[in-house]
Amino acid sequence: RKEVEQDPGPFNVPEGATVAFNCTYSNSASQSFFWYRQDCRKEPKLLMSVYSSGNEDGRFTAQLNRASQYISLLIRDSKLSDSATYLCVVTNYGGSQGNLIFGKGTKLSVKP
Amino acid sequence: DGGITQSPKYLFRKEGQNVTLSCEQNLNHDAMYWYRQDPGQGLRLIYYSQIVNDFQKGDIAEGYSVSREKKESFPLTVTSAQKNPTAFYLCASRYSGTKKETQYFGPGTRLLVL
Repeated sequence: RKEVEQDPGPFNVPEGATVAFNCTYSNSASQSFFWYRQDCRKEPKLLMSVYSSGNEDGRFTAQLNRASQYISLLIRDSKLSDSATYLCVVTNYGGSQGNLIFGKGTKLSVKP
Repeated sequence: DGGITQSPKYLFRKEGQNVTLSCEQNLNHDAMYWYRQDPGQGLRLIYYSQIVNDFQKGDIAEGYSVSREKKESFPLTVTSAQKNPTAFYLCASRYSGTKKETQYFGPGTRLLVL
């Protein structure tokens, strides 16, 4: 089983749609969780951290379920500029001192 | 401006040649990392360094070498022993003062084999 697994995508949605990405992780000792965004041929950029109680940043909502080892990202009212690949990332600070484990990413394409 | 810089943006390697990718940061981050990304794949860790003059192998260190002589700099050498070096190489850094702090990436270097 891969350490971090994501929906394979691609997701093709119209502007204004709500889209949800799912991610599961295999190591129950994982301590911190993030969503990164990566535009084509660019570096990943931190979109948001994911907290146990869930958190929201504008149109973006992240949820964490530690019991199920499941992370989600919800994008409401999607914009053309949201088109990118979304990477689910976990880290186990105890063993590997801040090393991140990346999912392969889910590609989102928002169409007019 | 604070940030992470990588150079060059594109690099071409001939067979049997060693090439060095530069990574510099002025964020005063303690930890630095090198990743490799292949098309359709996730990022894979090559090497990382928590402090100056110390570094550790990641998951795919074979064929690569690094040095950390200064806090700001973490160059990566792709040696001739790396048989499939064509990839997008990303450098990242992190402030290790708190466990919650995540990594921030430079713009990357694309390495192509001639």
